[in-house]
Amino acid sequence: KQEVTQIPAALSVPEGENLVLNCSFTDSAIYNLQWFRQDPGKGLTSLLLIQSSQREQTSGRLNASLDKSSGRSTLYIAASQPGDSATYLCAVAPSGGYNKLIFGAGTRLAVHP
Amino acid sequence: GAVVSQHPSRVICKSGTSVKIECRSLDFQATTMFWYRQFPKQSLMLMATSNEGSKATYEQGVEKDKFLINHASLTLSTLTVTSAHPEDSSFYICSARSLGNAGNTIYFGEGSWLTVV
Repeated sequence: KQEVTQIPAALSVPEGENLVLNCSFTDSAIYNLQWFRQDPGKGLTSLLLIQSSQREQTSGRLNASLDKSSGRSTLYIAASQPGDSATYLCAVAPSGGYNKLIFGAGTRLAVHP
Repeated sequence: GAVVSQHPSRVICKSGTSVKIECRSLDFQATTMFWYRQFPKQSLMLMATSNEGSKATYEQGVEKDKFLINHASLTLSTLTVTSAHPEDSSFYICSARSLGNAGNTIYFGEGSWLTVV
């Protein structure tokens, strides 16, 4: 059974810091991995999607890496801003069931001025 | 703008009543939609996969007679929580993938807060 773990559960940093959020998964047979952002009481916004054959994806200040063999992904946020405050969720799509996303519990990020 | 819309965003209902939540794809047709449930400070848990024109596929441990799912058109799926109880209070969120898409991008709705009193 695929399990997704995110560390840390919560993070509070001053503005401007570079951050690394971690995600690990137990079964390396994945179709892809996605990072989402969730604002309090809101839905999800997809940030980055990494196919199983890829090593990383970048979008603006965000960079996500994937090491499928070790079951790990990291989300790197450069020069954090207060507007980055949100919960960041990692989700994997299993091979053969790519529509079924299995989520981690998330990392709650607070960036203070 | 939002490509998947959920309604209502918040609903309060009395214990024992039923409540319906709608999930609509606005800019595309979705043969498949997904319903998730999220308790406070916990992750999203897939409840069921809604298939247009056929029965939904429920995840293990989800009562199909309690959580009725209907996907009558390519743009609308509904989740009905029947005989709601306070423990059903949660954040329900749907997602959809566009028809013809290999599944690489899945769009999520804004979610619906259900409070059962």
